[in-house]
Amino acid sequence: AQSVTQLGSHVSVSEGALVLLRCNYSSSVPPYLFWYVQYPNQGLQLLLKYTSAATLVKGINGFEAEFKKSETSFHLTKPSAHMSDAAEYFCAVSGPGRRALTFGSGTRLQVQP
Amino acid sequence: EAQVTQNPRYLITVTGKKLTVTCSQNMNHEYMSWYRQDPGLGLRQIYYSMNVEVTDKGDVPEGYKVSRKEKRNFPLILESPSPNQTSLYFCASSSGGSGTSVRSAEQYFGPGTRLTVT
Repeated sequence: AQSVTQLGSHVSVSEGALVLLRCNYSSSVPPYLFWYVQYPNQGLQLLLKYTSAATLVKGINGFEAEFKKSETSFHLTKPSAHMSDAAEYFCAVSGPGRRALTFGSGTRLQVQP
Repeated sequence: EAQVTQNPRYLITVTGKKLTVTCSQNMNHEYMSWYRQDPGLGLRQIYYSMNVEVTDKGDVPEGYKVSRKEKRNFPLILESPSPNQTSLYFCASSSGGSGTSVRSAEQYFGPGTRLTVT
């Protein structure tokens, strides 16, 4: 079975500050890992994905994530937060057969002016 | 435009009144899935379908039914809704292939259906 833990249900940063959203996973098989973003009243949009090709993954809107197998982590970062980054972020791991996704509980990012 | 559509987007109903939420995708995807999203719990899978006439339970299937008679459509049926099914529902789809590629794991989500059962 696989699981995802997102530390911190709410994260608040100042505009221009570093964004760090934490994700730890467990999986019995080499995982595929994903970060999705959900803006208010919208569906989920894929930010980035880890496919085992490279441990540092770059996504849209300046976000990136680093896969660390030894720490079973896939933390999401952005060097400089923008007001438009305010949203809820979900980390997900693929399950058996590489289709089913198991999601973390989500982290709501607030960006203060 | 490649997309997953859901209808209705918002629905308020009463306990026990059967309802159906439709989901359609135009990407010729084999795999389709339903999730519910609840505060603090993230998204949990209700049912999924690997292809036409092939469906299976996810993590929280109780109180729900699905069908997959056509490749593009995957309706979610609540035969007798109850207040604990008040939630935000998402349909998702992904492409086929062997099922072991990241392409098959990457899912595209619909805009969501907010259901309230009173």
